[in-house]
Amino acid sequence: ETGVTQTPRHLVMGMTNKKSLKCEQHLGHNAMYWYKQSAKKPLELMFVYNFKEQTENNSVPSRFSPECPNSSHLFLHLHTLQPEDSALYLCASSRALEGTQYFGPGTRLLVL
Amino acid sequence: EDQVTQSPEALRLQEGESSSLNCSYTVSGLRGLFWYRQDPGKGPEFLFTLYSAGEEKEKERLKATLTKKESFLHITAPKPEDSATYLCAVQESGNQFYFGTGTSLTVIP
Repeated sequence: ETGVTQTPRHLVMGMTNKKSLKCEQHLGHNAMYWYKQSAKKPLELMFVYNFKEQTENNSVPSRFSPECPNSSHLFLHLHTLQPEDSALYLCASSRALEGTQYFGPGTRLLVL
Repeated sequence: EDQVTQSPEALRLQEGESSSLNCSYTVSGLRGLFWYRQDPGKGPEFLFTLYSAGEEKEKERLKATLTKKESFLHITAPKPEDSATYLCAVQESGNQFYFGTGTSLTVIP
């Protein structure tokens, strides 16, 4: 498998559920990112990891918890979400913090 | 405040009708400007990276150009399969990325 993959592609969860999103990149990159995409808004950067170390957390609520066990895998743990958290969650990777980012297909999340 | 503005928000073209999309930006030190194509329900697909004013890149019917304050994505003789949302992003000297809201392109057969 090539590029950036994300699972699941679709997720419906209640506000009390706990779920995790998974991202895997097969490009040999060192930096990985989580973005939130809502209708009519620019992509919102949530978290950045470089060589497994978190370098940025853009004031994201604590109900979103990232995990990066190695440079190829990135998780986003979800807990007690709100309906306004419904969106497309995109993972991306890049060779370094500087340079082109390559995106996965996204996880469409619906919070009921 | 750093920002990226794309125009128009939406564009409808007849097949074969050439046009341009605009991305204007205000950042303190440009590291790169990126164009992506995004189909509904999918992740952005990388198209081009431009690094300095005067640079141009082409791919099939698409051509991207860059000046000190804006970039254009020219679409020559578009086909229905070019219908998508086109996103522009800039990376500034501190490595922060800023995305525009995109231009939704519809090409009518």
